Amino acid sequence: DQQVKQNSPSLSVQEGRISILNCDYTNSMFDYFLWYKKYPAEGPTFLISISSIKDKNEDGRFTVFLNKSAKHLSLHIVPSQPGDSAVYFCAASAHNNDMRFGAGTRLTVKP
Amino acid sequence: EAQVTQNPRYLITVTGKKLTVTCSQNMNHEYMSWYRQDPGLGLRQIYYSMNVEVTDKGDVPEGYKVSRKEKRNFPLILESPSPNQTSLYFCASSLWGADYNSPLHFGNGTRLTVT
Repeated sequence: DQQVKQNSPSLSVQEGRISILNCDYTNSMFDYFLWYKKYPAEGPTFLISISSIKDKNEDGRFTVFLNKSAKHLSLHIVPSQPGDSAVYFCAASAHNNDMRFGAGTRLTVKP
Repeated sequence: EAQVTQNPRYLITVTGKKLTVTCSQNMNHEYMSWYRQDPGLGLRQIYYSMNVEVTDKGDVPEGYKVSRKEKRNFPLILESPSPNQTSLYFCASSLWGADYNSPLHFGNGTRLTVT
């Protein structure tokens, strides 16, 4: 069963605009969440994370929001740049070293 | 340069022929794991290791073996590969586990095709 879901396989935005990538989870035991970014022919790289005790974490152009009651998190990229075009994976874990990943969302930022 | 190195990058084999995918990290990380990536399913964990001689099953361990004889190496072994193991495989490592302050560092992947 997929405990972490990214329901949008792809997203296209214009350069300079906001990109919003969404992620839903079903396991209420998850207590920390991460986003990874993946370019073609490379492995995923860590982007940003958030603990369940927070509802927002910001790092430069990237902000992750967590809504525990809705079991939903989102990644905002502002402003979006062409170099942000990649596949973004949402991941969640319950401190049991069994990290669950979503299926990924392919972001395309058009110049 | 800190990195996770997997070899080979591409591998085509036939059903039943044993193969090993190597993984090595130079960051002195205690935790290492293997994932497979399939369309629509994301990354699924196969096995992980908290330290030398300590390994545990992940989400999809069937048909795979691992070993952790040294801290830096974590090979993935397919004793009798089958076509349903055709996938993109990633090795990853982190300081002490899949934790908030210990994000995973991934290798560049191994694309395996079993005919």
